[in-house]
Parts: sequence; structure tokens; C-alpha cells
Amino acid sequence: NAGVTQTPKFRVLKTGQSMTLLCAQDMNHEYMYWYRQDPGMGLRLIHYSVGEGTTAKGEVPDGYNVSRLKKQNFLLGLESAAPSQTSVYFCASSTRQGFYEQYFGPGTRLTVT
Amino acid sequence: RKEVEQDPGPFNVPEGATVAFNCTYSNSASQSFFWYRQDCRKEPKLLMSVYSSGNEDGRFTAQLNRASQYISLLIRDSKLSDSATYLCVVTRYLWRDDKIIFGKGTRLHILP
Repeated sequence: NAGVTQTPKFRVLKTGQSMTLLCAQDMNHEYMYWYRQDPGMGLRLIHYSVGEGTTAKGEVPDGYNVSRLKKQNFLLGLESAAPSQTSVYFCASSTRQGFYEQYFGPGTRLTVT
Repeated sequence: RKEVEQDPGPFNVPEGATVAFNCTYSNSASQSFFWYRQDCRKEPKLLMSVYSSGNEDGRFTAQLNRASQYISLLIRDSKLSDSATYLCVVTRYLWRDDKIIFGKGTRLHILP
């Protein structure tokens, strides 16, 4: 089992460019999440999904869109990247009953110049 | 007031010493409590659950004090490999709105 994987691992974007981060999990988890982590800010929830075809906003959703067309994949899109979106992005998944035990991917380090 | 608060540290502790740190939470409706560990430039991982009766796992002991609304983590006989950031996690279970809140973390450096 690979667990939770994220691609890419690193990316540098110019302001205004768009990109999609891919998260995949092979644990058949219902719930999936996208977080960003910035120094001194901790983990902040961007969007989450409680099942295939459903998504919901988290704490900091502005500037991001998500889609969950397949249960095992959760995509995070940046429509028009801004320097404020420079961060480390973590995807996570969990079961519904055990949502407190989240399995995280290795992260994507994104720099927007 | 933030819902989950932790001392950011760093705690610089000599190898073999005992170290403890707390986390306070503000919402009395919080129901479950956990500690996660995050190594430098790595993803967070669940370390242990926290119960009112206390929870011990080897050198690690976690405790919950509902009256004072804090949880604690005690590490005995600390090892160099314990150096990490420890995230306090609080959850609430509400119909269709289960919520998990991560603290910002406490950095621990074990010194040789």
C-alpha cells in the first residue's frame, strides 16, 4: 500500500499561472482533505470531501477549487496563483468513523514568484 | 481566543531528560483529543490518543483535564529521535459537521 501520495513534490509558479495538485489514496477512505501549512500558522483546512462527488469549504478556501470525481483522488486547483499561496500543501484522508486519524501525504512545496 | 493553543517552543532538552508540554482548548464541547507528531519537512502522523484516565505508550504519557480544558504530553527518557513538532488535535462530533482542529505545534529539540 502506498497510502497517500501527492504530485508534484515541488513546483515554482509565476503569479497568475494556474496549476493542479493531485492527491491519491489507496486505503478506500471516504474522507479527503487539503491543508496548507505556513510557518507560525499551523495546518489550515482549505477544502475537504466526505465522499465521491462532494466537496466543502474549509477555513481558507479562497483562490482554490477542488474536485473529487473518483473516491481515491482529490484534486486541488489554483486558478490564478498569487505569492500569498506560497506554502506547503498537504493532502490527507481518513475513514468517516475514524476521521480523527488522518493519513497525510508527503506534501507539495509550492513557491509563487 | 484561539480554539486550540500551544506553546510554540522550542523546548531544548538534554537527552535522557523528561519533558512535558500542554495544550489548552477553548470549546467545552470538544470531545476527543489526540497528539500528532511532525518531523522536520515531513507530514504529520498520529502519535496517540488522549483519555481522561490517561494514556501511556512506552515513554509517552498523555493526559486530559476536562475541568481545566487542557491536554498534556509527557516524554520520559527522551531520545534524539524525539526531536519533532508535536501537534495537539481536538475534535468535535456534530451531525454532518465533524470537525478536527490542529494546534500550531510545540517544537522539541533533544540535545546530545
